[in-house]
Amino acid sequence: EMQLVESGGTSVQPGGSLRISCAASGFPFSNYWMSWVRQAPGKGLVWVSRIYNDGSSTTYADSVKGRFTISRDNAKNTLYLQMNTLRVEDTAVYFCARVIVPTIPPPEGYMDVWGTGTTVIVSS
Amino acid sequence: DIQMTQSPSTLSASVGDRVTITCRASQSISIWLAWYQQKPGKAPKLLIYAASTLQTAVPSRFSGSGSGAEFTLTISSLQPDDSATYYCQHYSSHYPEFGQGTKVEVK
Repeated sequence: EMQLVESGGTSVQPGGSLRISCAASGFPFSNYWMSWVRQAPGKGLVWVSRIYNDGSSTTYADSVKGRFTISRDNAKNTLYLQMNTLRVEDTAVYFCARVIVPTIPPPEGYMDVWGTGTTVIVSS
Repeated sequence: DIQMTQSPSTLSASVGDRVTITCRASQSISIWLAWYQQKPGKAPKLLIYAASTLQTAVPSRFSGSGSGAEFTLTISSLQPDDSATYYCQHYSSHYPEFGQGTKVEVK
């Protein structure tokens, strides 16, 4: 069974740092692009970042560019999101998701497997 | 960046009704659009990709159509289990935005 399990979410003060993880199983992790998507309490889904299967390319939403870093360890089947200079508005459930890129590719893809999310609260 | 606008924001319909949700892009995105269903406290679930291709194991009462900048998600016969929020998402550029969501209530 394909599975993504996020971990590492916690409460942190504004200006602080946190790294969250996403452990993948049931599929060849190193073959797939991966993304992070977040959802603030009572709000909609917001795409955060994406990384190629080999880690050679990353993109970020403007709201996190320069503060967040997406990375992966294909030997450990794990995706990461390093979050620095956290703001109150970063409070959200963070989901990791597998990205499927069409055969005739547009720049990005859709997300077919999702984790259950990990909660990050930024508050003083 | 390409902006996605869904309508309506909420809708209430009865079991068996035909329901349509619209998603408009601020510019053409060809067919590079996905639809997701999300229930409270749960992860999103992929329903449709490439505007009209049904994801495996998704009930056939769900269908998608459209191309360019206007798309629809249709539930042909609404069921109690369809109570959820539905999101469109484009993947036509390097910033794959979601729509703001449409909350569907089953009366």
